[in-house]
Amino acid sequence: QVQLVESGGGVVQPGRSLRLSCAASGFTFSTYGVHWVRQAPGKGLEWVAAISYDGGDKFFADSVKGRFTISRDNSKNTLYLQMNSLRAEDTAVYYCAIMLHGDSWAFDYWGQGTLVAVSS
Amino acid sequence: DIVMTQTPLSSPVTLGQPASISCRSSQSLVHSDGNTYLSWLQQRPGQPPRLLIYKISNRFSGVPDRFSGSGAGTDFTLKISRVEAEDVGVYYCMQATQSYTFGQGTKLEIK
Repeated sequence: QVQLVESGGGVVQPGRSLRLSCAASGFTFSTYGVHWVRQAPGKGLEWVAAISYDGGDKFFADSVKGRFTISRDNSKNTLYLQMNSLRAEDTAVYYCAIMLHGDSWAFDYWGQGTLVAVSS
Repeated sequence: DIVMTQTPLSSPVTLGQPASISCRSSQSLVHSDGNTYLSWLQQRPGQPPRLLIYKISNRFSGVPDRFSGSGAGTDFTLKISRVEAEDVGVYYCMQATQSYTFGQGTKLEIK
């Protein structure tokens, strides 16, 4: 079955960096774009970034543009989010999500999320 | 950016009774390919979101038929025909026509 497992979250000081990972299984990872979506404590969902199946195209929300980068290693079935210059407002649960059913354009599978807390 | 506005933000419902959530977008969600990429997700307490409905009215695999979606253009509705205890949670609409944005969420609770 489809599984997405995030890791790498933790407590980090403002201005520091953190790298999140998302390990995928149960589907052909190398043929799908993958996304990061975050949720601040007690708040709603915010799309963060996306990467195409081959890593050739990358997209970012304005709130993280220039600070976050997204990458993938298809040989390891893993997605990454490199977060630099972290701010308190980046505190959130970070989910990886995919649109497995191609014509739905909806996030049909989600990981359990990893919590990032930016605090001094 | 397209702004998604949900109403109500909270909805107390009696078990077995219907519930309805509205979602309005700041501009039309009709894509240049003719499709409307509006979906609905459910987030139960402590869980990641779960897809219920895609492209306005298509139920995702395994979603009970008491959930239905409707609408067009900028106005959309999620309906639950008879609310069950397991339906408690927060419901989000999401558009994928132009980038991706979510509504603020509607909390469904039992009276």
